[in-house]
Amino acid sequence: GQSLEQPSEVTAVEGAIVQINCTYQTSGFYGLSWYQQHDGGAPTFLSYNALDGLEETGRFSSFLSRSDSYGYLLLQELQMKDSASYFCAVRLMEYGNKLVFGAGTILRVKS
Amino acid sequence: DTAVSQTPKYLVTQMGNDKSIKCEQNLGHDTMYWYKQDSKKFLKIMFSYNNKELIINETVPNRFSPKSPDKAHLNLHINSLELGDSAVYFCASSQEHLEAYEQYFGPGTRLTVT
Repeated sequence: GQSLEQPSEVTAVEGAIVQINCTYQTSGFYGLSWYQQHDGGAPTFLSYNALDGLEETGRFSSFLSRSDSYGYLLLQELQMKDSASYFCAVRLMEYGNKLVFGAGTILRVKS
Repeated sequence: DTAVSQTPKYLVTQMGNDKSIKCEQNLGHDTMYWYKQDSKKFLKIMFSYNNKELIINETVPNRFSPKSPDKAHLNLHINSLELGDSAVYFCASSQEHLEAYEQYFGPGTRLTVT
């Protein structure tokens, strides 16, 4: 089976930096994706890491360590609009290349 | 232009009824998915089609039947609806199944079974 763990909630202030961690236990791991979902909205793709290291996309960065089965999403210069749920998802080497999502982390940004 | 669209957006129905949700993508993608998101926001894959061929069929009651008439459309039919089917159902697509890491989601269909 697979399991992913991420914190249920994180609170930070506007302008700050926040890190959302994701640890996983799975076989046949291909890579780790991150998605953002605002209340009432659809999940939207943020980033993907197949190799160890840091991927940067604007204010958001994502990191993966395959040896530690661990990744994180780093959000810099937090804005109120970043308040949302963030999901890590593992891409598995099963037929069909499915994504298995974590339970999500609610990020609350305060002014 | 909407990339992935679903109809209806809201669906309220009684137990025992049969209903369908339709999904269309205009991205030219080969692979489409159905997900169920429960009240705790847990997002779980149900089905995936690649070029009209079923490639993922998770442990889902056989009351749920997907149909892909062409690679731009993936519909979900649900028979004999139960209270536990109440959830938000999302359709998604990816360029192809090897690029499943980057999926584009539709706006969701909120199904309420009473």
